[in-house]
Amino acid sequence: GENVEQHPSTLSVQEGDSAVIKCTYSDSASNYFPWYKQELGKRPQLIIDIRSNVGEKKDQRIAVTLNKTAKHFSLHITETQPEDSAVYFCAASSPAGGTSYGKLTFGQGTILTVHP
Amino acid sequence: EAGVAQSPRYKIIEKRQSVAFWCNPISGHATLYWYQQILGQGPKLLIQFQNNGVVDDSQLPKDRFSAERLKGVDSTLKIQPAKLEDSAVYLCASSSDPGLTQYFGPGTRLLVL
Repeated sequence: GENVEQHPSTLSVQEGDSAVIKCTYSDSASNYFPWYKQELGKRPQLIIDIRSNVGEKKDQRIAVTLNKTAKHFSLHITETQPEDSAVYFCAASSPAGGTSYGKLTFGQGTILTVHP
Repeated sequence: EAGVAQSPRYKIIEKRQSVAFWCNPISGHATLYWYQQILGQGPKLLIQFQNNGVVDDSQLPKDRFSAERLKGVDSTLKIQPAKLEDSAVYLCASSSDPGLTQYFGPGTRLLVL
């Protein structure tokens, strides 16, 4: 089955700096890569996602890049703010056809701390 | 649009007791997922429903866990008997179809003593 590795496990930055979180996946058939933000005691919330037919997607201060050949994707947050502090999870999903049914496999998470 | 609802939000039980969690997905969402999130880890899929049928329960410990979605809307997840290692947050999520965006509920925090 799919395996997703996420790095780093913790990331500390100063307000205004950029933050980058990287993930690798094992199943070359995976075609959907969402990123979730989870604040302490809250539900995971989708912040951005990318499908395998594009290499990069941007939404204001957040961007995701995908390299299908190398099987890795990254989250980039620019101009970080204290409210960006949370746990970030990457995930990968294979197509809904076949035996995968669109199952999401999550990385281990990155604790991002933005210092004022 | 109302989000995914779950209850209870918190539950404390002793080992060997049973417990049940309830989930109401976003209206019209055919696909429903139950995840287990152990502290410090990412969510792990336990079971996935498409309408009222199970499409993936490969990681569900079937000797103690069971789930149903009888009418293709609400779902319940049951643990019987509970073990200490079942202490976790149980998240329910739904999507309009498999492979599309999953929306998570607030979760049920289970502590097994």
